[in-house]
Amino acid sequence: QVQLQESGPGLVKPSETLSLTCAVSGYSISSGYYWGWIRQPPGKGLEWIGSIYHSGSTYYNPSLKSRVTISVDTSKNQFSLKLSSVTAADTAVYYCARSVVVTAFFDYWGQGTLVTVSS
Amino acid sequence: QSVLTQPPSVSAAPGQKVTISCSGSSSNIGNNYVSWYQQLPGTAPKLLIYENNKRPSGIPDRFSGSKSGTSATLGITGLQTGDEADYYCGTWDSSLSAHYVFGTGTKVTVL
Repeated sequence: QVQLQESGPGLVKPSETLSLTCAVSGYSISSGYYWGWIRQPPGKGLEWIGSIYHSGSTYYNPSLKSRVTISVDTSKNQFSLKLSSVTAADTAVYYCARSVVVTAFFDYWGQGTLVTVSS
Repeated sequence: QSVLTQPPSVSAAPGQKVTISCSGSSSNIGNNYVSWYQQLPGTAPKLLIYENNKRPSGIPDRFSGSKSGTSATLGITGLQTGDEADYYCGTWDSSLSAHYVFGTGTKVTVL
């Protein structure tokens, strides 16, 4: 059974960098699939942040591209998200998820982690 | 602002049927597969329908999906109290700024 688990600070100060990691179990990232980040501000809808392939190829939402970096560590079977220059508008539950190809559906999701941007 | 439009809410009594529409354009729904996700209160989204009308293992056939042109529809028959949740459509947008997009979301209420 594929499982994903997000981890990272729950509170980040404005202008700083948000950093999260998604640990994958039950499947080797090196075997394929795309690994993505999706966020959901409190009471609002879902927003795709970006995805990465095990080779390191990345795909980002154009609206966030200038501030986002997604990386993968196949040795630890995990991938990470960095979002720079955060503001209160970046406060959200951040989910990691798996997709067959970057253009396709997300079949496995992590439980999500709330990140609050506040001083 | 999402490019996929869904009704904010739909409701029906237990046992009845509801349909949720997802309206897009030729750059997204018109030329790409649509998926649907169910988000129960306080939980992560769960895949309900993929490639327009396919159900993952374990999803009951009360849930169905269809697509026509630049719109997609999720149907739920035999409505149960446990179906009360938010539902989102999703697809790839192949415009110049290509990216994955989700619908605005629909709250299903079981009366």
